[in-house]
Amino acid sequence: DTAVSQTPKYLVTQMGNDKSIKCEQNLGHDTMYWYKQDSKKFLKIMFSYNNKELIINETVPNRFSPKSPDKAHLNLHINSLELGDSAVYFCASSQVGGQQFFGPGTRLTVL
Amino acid sequence: GESVGLHLPTLSVQEGDNSIINCAYSNSASDYFIWYKQESGKGPQFIIDIRSNMDKRQGQRVTVLLNKTVKHLSLQIAATQPGDSAVYFCAESYQTGANNLFFGTGTRLTVIP
Repeated sequence: DTAVSQTPKYLVTQMGNDKSIKCEQNLGHDTMYWYKQDSKKFLKIMFSYNNKELIINETVPNRFSPKSPDKAHLNLHINSLELGDSAVYFCASSQVGGQQFFGPGTRLTVL
Repeated sequence: GESVGLHLPTLSVQEGDNSIINCAYSNSASDYFIWYKQESGKGPQFIIDIRSNMDKRQGQRVTVLLNKTVKHLSLQIAATQPGDSAVYFCAESYQTGANNLFFGTGTRLTVIP
């Protein structure tokens, strides 16, 4: 069973579109995250979220918004996609203060 | 976040040799450090972690060393195997009670059979 799963694995879309990436964890963790990995493999935190608090990296454009329908899910919505949004997006989860488990990633390509 | 840098972007080693991957961090307030392994097409996978009250921690074939004086972290892999080929990241956290990790730029390890 996959601990942290993401869908889709690949996403190709046009500039200006709105898209979502889904993330689910079956580990019972209380905190979930989204990271962006650029073409140079640099990993950068975008959001961390538990049922009490959303922490946003101030450099993330407000076109990006996380939405959590329940404790096991944290979806990433992106509005008005831009070329620079092309990257691999990773979801992760953990208990507070615990090890983070990463999903397999979603490769987003904006044309 | 503070930068976490690596001395070597690429490293090639012969199978069976030991590997050492280095990482420099700049925030002296960082109190938790982690090494992750990322294979091609996959997400980062936890290898080993260490807290700032320790200077060495050992796992299976891996050892992490922390030198707080010079703000340096290293990952040692014993008897490197082809399956160890991957990109290795160090990450730091300096917000007590929070989980936000700040990653370094990564080192690509290639094991030559």
